[in-house]
Amino acid sequence: EDQVTQSPEALRLQEGESSSLNCSYTVSGLRGLFWYRQDPGKGPEFLFTLYSAGEEKEKERLKATLTKKESFLHITAPKPEDSATYLCAVQDNRNSGAGSYQLTFGKGTKLSVIP
Amino acid sequence: NAGVTQTPKFQVLKTGQSMTLQCAQDMNHEYMSWYRQDPGMGLRLIHYSVGAGITDQGEVPNGYNVSRSTTEDFPLRLLSAAPSQTSVYFCASSDWGTGGGTQYFGPGTRLLVL
Repeated sequence: EDQVTQSPEALRLQEGESSSLNCSYTVSGLRGLFWYRQDPGKGPEFLFTLYSAGEEKEKERLKATLTKKESFLHITAPKPEDSATYLCAVQDNRNSGAGSYQLTFGKGTKLSVIP
Repeated sequence: NAGVTQTPKFQVLKTGQSMTLQCAQDMNHEYMSWYRQDPGMGLRLIHYSVGAGITDQGEVPNGYNVSRSTTEDFPLRLLSAAPSQTSVYFCASSDWGTGGGTQYFGPGTRLLVL
């Protein structure tokens, strides 16, 4: 059974204080690892896809990295508008047919950036 | 391009009532799915579909029915609502062109069952 564990559950940062969010995963074979951002009262919004260990993706103040067992979302010099819940999800290449699309989500890390 | 739309935004039901949550997408995506999100539980897959006439069960399908008669629409039916179905429901869609895991979510339906 695929498992995704995110830590910490909640993180408070001062504006400009860089940090990282962790996503550790257990999957038979990784097809892809995904990061989503969710603002209060809204649906998740796609951020990044990572496919293989060593891969990195960047977007503004966010950088996602991937190893064989975990992924990190690095936030550099965060701003209050970066406050949100960040979700990690995995896609298992063991699944076939319609199941190939399925994602297993972690519970998320709630990030608060204080001005 | 409206993306993924969901109606209603909020609904209150009494135990035993039935209702349908609507979901539509205008991106011609073949894959559509329903999730529920509960505090401390994360997103859990209820049902999914890869095309008209094709549906399958996810992790938590009990008490819910789905059908897919068109590419655009994927309604979720609660047959006899229970307090345990109080949750926030999200519909999502994707296509295999982006690997299937890049999913576009609707704004959600907040359901309270009394």
